[in-house]
Amino acid sequence: AQRVTQPEKLLSVFKGAPVELKCNYSYSGSPELFWYVQYSRQRLQLLLRHISRESIKGFTADLNKGETSFHLKKPFAQEEDSAMYYCALLREYGNKLVFGAGTILRVKS
Amino acid sequence: SAVISQKPSRDICQRGTSLTIQCQVDSQVTMMFWYRQQPGQSLTLIATANQGSEATYESGFVIDKFPISRPNLTFSTLTVSNMSPEDSSIYLCSVEARDSGYTFGSGTRLTVV
Repeated sequence: AQRVTQPEKLLSVFKGAPVELKCNYSYSGSPELFWYVQYSRQRLQLLLRHISRESIKGFTADLNKGETSFHLKKPFAQEEDSAMYYCALLREYGNKLVFGAGTILRVKS
Repeated sequence: SAVISQKPSRDICQRGTSLTIQCQVDSQVTMMFWYRQQPGQSLTLIATANQGSEATYESGFVIDKFPISRPNLTFSTLTVSNMSPEDSSIYLCSVEARDSGYTFGSGTRLTVV
């Protein structure tokens, strides 16, 4: 079964510290993976997708097929990064997203 | 990317009643998706709504409980029928946007009392 695991419910870091939000997946083919973010009182929005290989708001994520991971990283956390982050996998059939449980990132000043 | 308008944004309903949630997109899309997010949990796909055919439901979700309409390429509705407190959730509409992944509506926060 296709599954996304985000092991941390909450990650709390100080401003300026590095951030790594973990995401592991189970998938038999070539996965397409996403990170979505939901800021307080805002709708869920796409942060980045692995096929575009870009950096958004200083965040990057590299697909590691050997470790079946797609961790989200940022070298220096900012207070405005505080939000809920979801890792998602595009299901093979039907173009449907499977979401992880989400990780709350709290950046403290 | 596509812009989605979803309404109502929230509602408090009596058990046993039904609520219809509307999702309007500013461009034509082939597939529209309905998700549920129960308190403290992640998003779970309820069904995929295709224009001109019946919706495709995920395991654990049935048409009698969550009837869906898709009359055209820009609009869909999800009805939560015969509600119970366990149906209290956030319901979200989503569409696939060609260059920007999947876009989500702002959600409908439903409380059943």
